[in-house]
Amino acid sequence: SQQGEEDPQALSIQEGENATMNCSYKTSINNLQWYRQNSGRGLVHLILIRSNEREKHSGRLRVTLDTSKKSSSLLITASRAADTASYFCATDDRETSGSRLTFGEGTQLTVNP
Amino acid sequence: SAVISQKPSRDICQRGTSLTIQCQVDSQVTMMFWYRQQPGQSLTLIATANQGSEATYESGFVIDKFPISRPNLTFSTLTVSNMSPEDSSIYLCSVRTGRTEAFFGQGTRLTVV
Repeated sequence: SQQGEEDPQALSIQEGENATMNCSYKTSINNLQWYRQNSGRGLVHLILIRSNEREKHSGRLRVTLDTSKKSSSLLITASRAADTASYFCATDDRETSGSRLTFGEGTQLTVNP
Repeated sequence: SAVISQKPSRDICQRGTSLTIQCQVDSQVTMMFWYRQQPGQSLTLIATANQGSEATYESGFVIDKFPISRPNLTFSTLTVSNMSPEDSSIYLCSVRTGRTEAFFGQGTRLTVV
């Protein structure tokens, strides 16, 4: 079952603007990850943040994690048309055995040129 | 990292028939995961495939409908049996080593008519 909720479900911005997507989850986690999916293709890993980390950067991406609120956000700065895709958060849950991930509902980002 | 070759990339099938999806990984991995992504939705885990043992299916998915083979540590197949239009989805295979990022195949877009 999907435990993650993401908002907004859809986001449309202009090139150069920042895009912020949020993810909430319900269990205790080992880490939280963000993935990108172009047009129904395979997912590509963007960034992983561990439960003892609060913020992480990778290029134009900034991820925050608040384990007390069970939430995370993904910020994409200076967006480009090529950033248009669906973005999913995924949690590695402490209670789950093995290496499975639980995915959120996703945010469809459209960056207009 | 891991590179996964998944095929076919898409197919249009008649109801009542079966389709087998293949995933080949460029390295040996213990567990492979099969996901379904219905149109506009998130990923739902179908089953976890371990080499040398029966696959473990998630609630709502049964072996008769989605038989899985895992003959070695680099290859797996998922069959969608006795298809109906409700099976129209994207099917994705994935691997993960430990509690790090996951790697995905390119996806199989299935349309059942």
